[in-house]
Amino acid sequence: QKEVEQDPGPLSVPEGAIVSLNCTYSNSAFQYFMWYRQYSRKGPELLMYTYSSGNKEDGRFTAQVDKSSKYISLFIRDSQPSDSATYLCAVAPGTYKYIFGTGTRLKVLA
Amino acid sequence: ETGVTQTPRHLVMGMTNKKSLKCEQHLGHNAMYWYKQSAKKPLELMFVYNFKEQTENNSVPSRFSPECPNSSHLFLHLHTLQPEDSALYLCASSQDRLAEGEKLFFGSGTQLSVL
Repeated sequence: QKEVEQDPGPLSVPEGAIVSLNCTYSNSAFQYFMWYRQYSRKGPELLMYTYSSGNKEDGRFTAQVDKSSKYISLFIRDSQPSDSATYLCAVAPGTYKYIFGTGTRLKVLA
Repeated sequence: ETGVTQTPRHLVMGMTNKKSLKCEQHLGHNAMYWYKQSAKKPLELMFVYNFKEQTENNSVPSRFSPECPNSSHLFLHLHTLQPEDSALYLCASSQDRLAEGEKLFFGSGTQLSVL
């Protein structure tokens, strides 16, 4: 079993839709959860950062962590074509040793 | 200039060439990292430097040789690479390797093609 599982997509949605991106992880010791956005031919950009369980909101983005289910989600409201990118989830036990998902490719259609 | 800067952006090399990738961070961080990103695979951590000392080598082949002259600069020297080494090589930095919950900041990467 992989430590972090993420559906590679692609996921295509119309502009304005609510997008839900998800990852599951296997190790209950993970404490830090991150979402990175990666545009084509660019490096990953930190989008959301969460410690332990709960929700965190930043503008149109909401990160959700359910430690009991080992499930993390990223919601994008009012999606825009500029949101088209690959979204990487990452988990860490409490050190720098991030474990990344393979990424979900999102396309928002105008 | 801010953030993490990597050069070159693209590199094509033959299997017998020697080349170097360069990374510079302008964030005042103390830890720097090399990652490899291949298609449909998760990011793979290659090397970690903290206060310019190498603290981790994740069983990376010796044809990859890192160098960290100071906390702001990181190099990856390449020689006698294989076609399977073609990938996006990403440099990252964080404030301190040892601190919990460190946030990683990435450069734009070098897209490497080995012919």
